[in-house]
Amino acid sequence: DTHMTQSPSSLSASIGDRITITCRADHDIRSSLNWYQQRPGKAPELLIYGASNLQSGVPPRFSGSGSGTDFTLTINSLRPEDFASYFCQQSSGTPLTFGGGTKVEIK
Amino acid sequence: QVQLQQSGPGLVEPAQTLSLTCAISGDSVSSNSAAWNWVRQTPSRGLEWLGRTVYRSKWYTEYAFSVQSRISIKPDTSKNHFSLQLNSVTPEDTAIYYCARMTTTGGLDCWGQGTPVTVSS
Repeated sequence: DTHMTQSPSSLSASIGDRITITCRADHDIRSSLNWYQQRPGKAPELLIYGASNLQSGVPPRFSGSGSGTDFTLTINSLRPEDFASYFCQQSSGTPLTFGGGTKVEIK
Repeated sequence: QVQLQQSGPGLVEPAQTLSLTCAISGDSVSSNSAAWNWVRQTPSRGLEWLGRTVYRSKWYTEYAFSVQSRISIKPDTSKNHFSLQLNSVTPEDTAIYYCARMTTTGGLDCWGQGTPVTVSS
């Protein structure tokens, strides 16, 4: 199984801030990395696929980068609706595996 | 627009079978470019992939090792849905269960609404 390590587990930020979340795979997964946002009580929603491709309908303040084992999700100019949890997930092979999540809270 | 609608009981007794269904609209369970997954979520274990069913000229099913001895995921082409059965449940199976579509991008781009399931007598 591919183990995904996500950091930080939580962070506090202000509206308008730029934040970065990192995800590391325990072996090379090329660009098979996806990012999700989850609001309380809701299902996850796909933000980024293939490490850097913006899912249709997702605002361009979200961006992803990386390949191999190290990946980042960046949110520019945080908006109130961005305070949520974020997860990475590898799709290099089965079993699909997820990072432990990052909760973004308002400072 | 693709939508997934989950149904099934929210309470299951220990040692019994958890059964959930995911109805698909806007796509086909027999699509050659999609895979139909079940994922569960708990505060302690996070998001855990359980398995999927895929049609590529014939049906394929893959399961997570942790549940492979007691899980079954089946497509129903007549109803355009797929189901999850998890046998011999314990309180450790208490979770929110989601169905989700994976496309050729590799991302899970459409999710059901989630079904909270409690295993308790």
